[in-house]
Amino acid sequence: DAGVIQSPRHEVTEMGQEVTLRCKPISGHDYLFWYRQTMMRGLELLIYFNNNVPIDDSGMPEDRFSAKMPNASFSTLKIQPSEPRDSAVYFCASRTGFSQETQYFGPGTRLLVL
Amino acid sequence: SQQGEEDPQALSIQEGENATMNCSYKTSINNLQWYRQNSGRGLVHLILIRSNEREKHSGRLRVTLDTSKKSSSLLITASRAADTASYFCATDTGANSKLTFGKGITLSVRP
Repeated sequence: DAGVIQSPRHEVTEMGQEVTLRCKPISGHDYLFWYRQTMMRGLELLIYFNNNVPIDDSGMPEDRFSAKMPNASFSTLKIQPSEPRDSAVYFCASRTGFSQETQYFGPGTRLLVL
Repeated sequence: SQQGEEDPQALSIQEGENATMNCSYKTSINNLQWYRQNSGRGLVHLILIRSNEREKHSGRLRVTLDTSKKSSSLLITASRAADTASYFCATDTGANSKLTFGKGITLSVRP
């Protein structure tokens, strides 16, 4: 398996623009997680899905952030409009549905909003 | 609130020495996991220890868990320059499928 795939790996955009981050989880994994990592706040869970259904989006910072999972092999995290404080590394992770399982992380998308 | 908090925040050792990193947490857990992150990369799972386990080994890694003190330690023996990375503990309370990560420990192993 290729592991969790994220695209793009790097994104530079200007304030106010829409940003879409993409994730392909490991085949057969039932859970998908979106995290944001910054020096100041560390690794924060934004939202997670189980069987394509959003379960907990309490970590989504503002209405400018939205996430979808239209099928088991694809998820997007959208920021509209983007702001400089959204600059961070965004990770997607997936895991199986069995209890006490580990998460498998993608390589991340490094976002810079100017 | 932060569930897992690692200590120290940064650690610098010589190659061949052992590295010990600690993690404390606040609430009851189902399991505790350690992850490694190399610079510019995603997190990689190292080891998972369940709440009914006290010690676990994997290669040069040794993890202990003391649920009475709500703490865990990760020992890397005979460290190598390639062990240079950030290390995170993550707690699973079992109430949902989420992990809560600490802020990480930066380990530097000098050749």
